[in-house]
Amino acid sequence: EPEVTQTPSHQVTQMGQEVILRCVPISNHLYFYWYRQILGQKVEFLVSFYNNEISEKSEIFDDQFSVERPDGSNFTLKIRSTKLEDSAMYFCASTPRRGLAVNNEQFFGPGTRLTVL
Amino acid sequence: RKEVEQDPGPFNVPEGATVAFNCTYSNSASQSFFWYRQDCRKEPKLLMSVYSSGNEDGRFTAQLNRASQYISLLIRDSKLSDSATYLCVVNSRTGNQFYFGTGTSLTVIP
Repeated sequence: EPEVTQTPSHQVTQMGQEVILRCVPISNHLYFYWYRQILGQKVEFLVSFYNNEISEKSEIFDDQFSVERPDGSNFTLKIRSTKLEDSAMYFCASTPRRGLAVNNEQFFGPGTRLTVL
Repeated sequence: RKEVEQDPGPFNVPEGATVAFNCTYSNSASQSFFWYRQDCRKEPKLLMSVYSSGNEDGRFTAQLNRASQYISLLIRDSKLSDSATYLCVVNSRTGNQFYFGTGTSLTVIP
């Protein structure tokens, strides 16, 4: 069964460093998302991406964040200068249909745990 | 106002019990509704979509009330393996953003 994959599974970094989190969405999916989940808190939407551009982003997704689809398979989230409060689990997700399609299911990757020291 | 609100629980029920979770959402333009389950430190996994007419999948029944902006999930004959956090998920007016509730924690006790 096709699945979303993410690397690395765990990333430890120093405050102020740049990190790149990588995702490989399901191959025939067209819509991609990044979420974060701070330990013990709810899953929070960061950004959606379609046709090589951002469709929508939340207030969390400030200038420190960027996303890219550098080739036909990878979808990356970059944090330019990490802060302590960026420590969280970051989930990538993909869907085959446009956002407003009824019952548009999302398929999540296993997540990358980011720890900022 | 939160986009999606859920009772966080926890719900502790014996095996075989029936348990119901509720969720309300604020955006009347939302068109997609889901229940996901999340095991500890794992990714959310789709449990079921919620259709306007209500739908059932084995022991699980989901209902949607658009007028009240209310979604429910009923689990019958609870199993130990049902222990997880259940997340109510609703999409935005544009459809490009999905809002998660804080989740309802369920523990099924032998």
